[in-house]
Amino acid sequence: SYELTQPPSVSVSPGQTARITCSGDTLPKQYAYWYQQRPGRAPVLVIFKDSERPSGIPERFSGSSSGTIVTLTISGVQAEDEADFYCQSADSTGSHVVFGGGTKLTVL
Amino acid sequence: QITLKESGPTLVKPTQTLTLTCILSGLSLNTTGVDVAWIRQPPGKTLEWLAVIFWDDDKRYSPSLRSRLAITKDTSKNQVLLTMTNMDPVDTATYYCAHRPFTLRGGFVWGQGTLVTVSS
Repeated sequence: SYELTQPPSVSVSPGQTARITCSGDTLPKQYAYWYQQRPGRAPVLVIFKDSERPSGIPERFSGSSSGTIVTLTISGVQAEDEADFYCQSADSTGSHVVFGGGTKLTVL
Repeated sequence: QITLKESGPTLVKPTQTLTLTCILSGLSLNTTGVDVAWIRQPPGKTLEWLAVIFWDDDKRYSPSLRSRLAITKDTSKNQVLLTMTNMDPVDTATYYCAHRPFTLRGGFVWGQGTLVTVSS
């Protein structure tokens, strides 16, 4: 089955930049999406179509894509950004949704 | 405003069949392009996509769970149902229904989720 690979954890100090990567063979052909999930809550979309930001998401969240790797960047990290982050894409057919393993962002 | 709300049993026994309902508000299953998916998350683990149903009744399933799943819709009630057969303790998870608005080009908006525990 198709997989997306994320680092299990990323730690940054407040005000620094956090970068969370997601790698997968079909990412050059399929869009990537990023979700933030706080404990006990449903995921919230923070980036769609690799790099677009939904209404209401702070500008410090951005996304980029390069080959088989997509990256979520959080500039000027704040304590409230501490959460689990998941990437989402699709398999080569585009018919089946796939999620990455998730990355726990810790704000030191 | 689009909202989705899951409902169903909180506890099922091993080998039983689970049936979950997703109640939609602000969204019609009759509208061209609309889809509703089910996604689950075991405690402390990642998200797992299960199935999706489209406005035209087209359906897709997770290849690894296809034999146990059935997704259907009731347009008169604006609801989407998921059944999963032969439940096992490893199926213990929060089950979410989710929708991909056209404006988000494939990104999901989610219901609040419902925790289902499988135990005898």
